[in-house]
Amino acid sequence: DVQLVESGGGLVQPGGSLTLSCATSGFIFSNFWMSWVRQAPGKGLEWVANIKQDGSEKNYVDSVRGRFTISRDNAKNSLYLQLSSLGADDMAVYYCGYGGYFFNYWGQGTLVTVSS
Amino acid sequence: VIWMTQSPSLLSASTGDRVIISCRLSQGVGTSLAWYRHQPGKAPELLIYAASTLQSGVPSRFTGSGSGTDFTLTINSLQSEDFATYYCQQYYTLPRTFGPGTKVEIK
Repeated sequence: DVQLVESGGGLVQPGGSLTLSCATSGFIFSNFWMSWVRQAPGKGLEWVANIKQDGSEKNYVDSVRGRFTISRDNAKNSLYLQLSSLGADDMAVYYCGYGGYFFNYWGQGTLVTVSS
Repeated sequence: VIWMTQSPSLLSASTGDRVIISCRLSQGVGTSLAWYRHQPGKAPELLIYAASTLQSGVPSRFTGSGSGTDFTLTINSLQSEDFATYYCQQYYTLPRTFGPGTKVEIK
């Protein structure tokens, strides 16, 4: 079975940083684009970033470009998202998704809370 | 950026009902559109991709149609697990964008 398990969320102060991880299993991780999608409290889904199979191409939504960095470790079947200069608008559940176009499978998400 | 709207935003229905959700885009995307079901506290689930292709394992009561700027998701014979929020998503271009969601609640 395909599994994606996010971790690394938590409480961070405005302006702070955090790194999210997504451990995967059940599919050949290195063969697929991967993505991050977030959902702010009471809001809808927002695509954040995606990364090509070999990490050579990365794309971001404008609101996070320059502050967030997506990366992957194919040897560990893991996806990462480094978040920096965090603001209230970044508070959300962050999901990793299998796929770069549409998202066949999703994890349960990890909550990032931005508060002083 | 491709903007998306969904209607209705809230839909009250009963088990066994047929419901139709619409998704309209600010520009054409061919058939590069997906639909998801999101139950509270759970991971979103892919239902439909390429506008009308049912994801493996998804019940046949879900049907997608449309192309260009107008799409619909039809759920025949609503089941208890279908009371959830539904999102359309375009993958024709970057950034990927989602509709604002349609919440299907119990009447």
